[in-house]
Amino acid sequence: DAGVTQSPTHLIKTRGQHVTLRCSPISGHKSVSWYQQVLGQGPQFIFQYYEKEERGRGNFPDRFSARQFPNYSSELNVNALLLGDSALYLCASSPITGGIGYTFGSGTRLTVV
Amino acid sequence: GNSVTQMEGPVTLSEEAFLTINCTYTATGYPSLFWYVQYPGEGLQLLLKATKADDKGSNKGFEATYRKETTSFHLEKGSVQVSDSAVYFCALIQAGGTSYGKLTFGQGTILTVHP
Repeated sequence: DAGVTQSPTHLIKTRGQHVTLRCSPISGHKSVSWYQQVLGQGPQFIFQYYEKEERGRGNFPDRFSARQFPNYSSELNVNALLLGDSALYLCASSPITGGIGYTFGSGTRLTVV
Repeated sequence: GNSVTQMEGPVTLSEEAFLTINCTYTATGYPSLFWYVQYPGEGLQLLLKATKADDKGSNKGFEATYRKETTSFHLEKGSVQVSDSAVYFCALIQAGGTSYGKLTFGQGTILTVHP
């Protein structure tokens, strides 16, 4: 079975641009969460979605948004990119919301120049 | 709010040495506790978990015991290998409340094992 897949694996953007990151959960998993991992730090929670509804939001500005599709895949959108948005963005899926069986993807490395 | 504190790193050991990475937490109620491992250029892999006080999680020779009285979840391994070199993250998830479903991570500890 395929694990959590994220795309793209790497990308470089310019300050002020917009970016869309994509995540496909494990088959049968209905919950997707997004985390930001800045170099040298632990991951920080951004969003959690379950059954296409937002179930949790971390302390991130409104430039960050996300959505979940009927097939449970998800997109993370970041507008007006700042240099500080450079990070590894991780997606995690789980069969249910609030559970403890999270599986992480390999992440998308975003570099803002 | 919830928080996780890991020991200052990095940690450098020789092969077959004993490993301890300290982790303490602050949370309301009874969180579930985890250790994740991240190899270079990869995402996070769940190493072990414990869901209630005095539970011991174990995997691949690593162990950690959920100590509610000291709010700790220290990671141990009796004999490390070069292949254990990675970054280790302690994390918790709260069972309910506004943090429901959200993993809170420590800052990570870099482990390097030399032959």
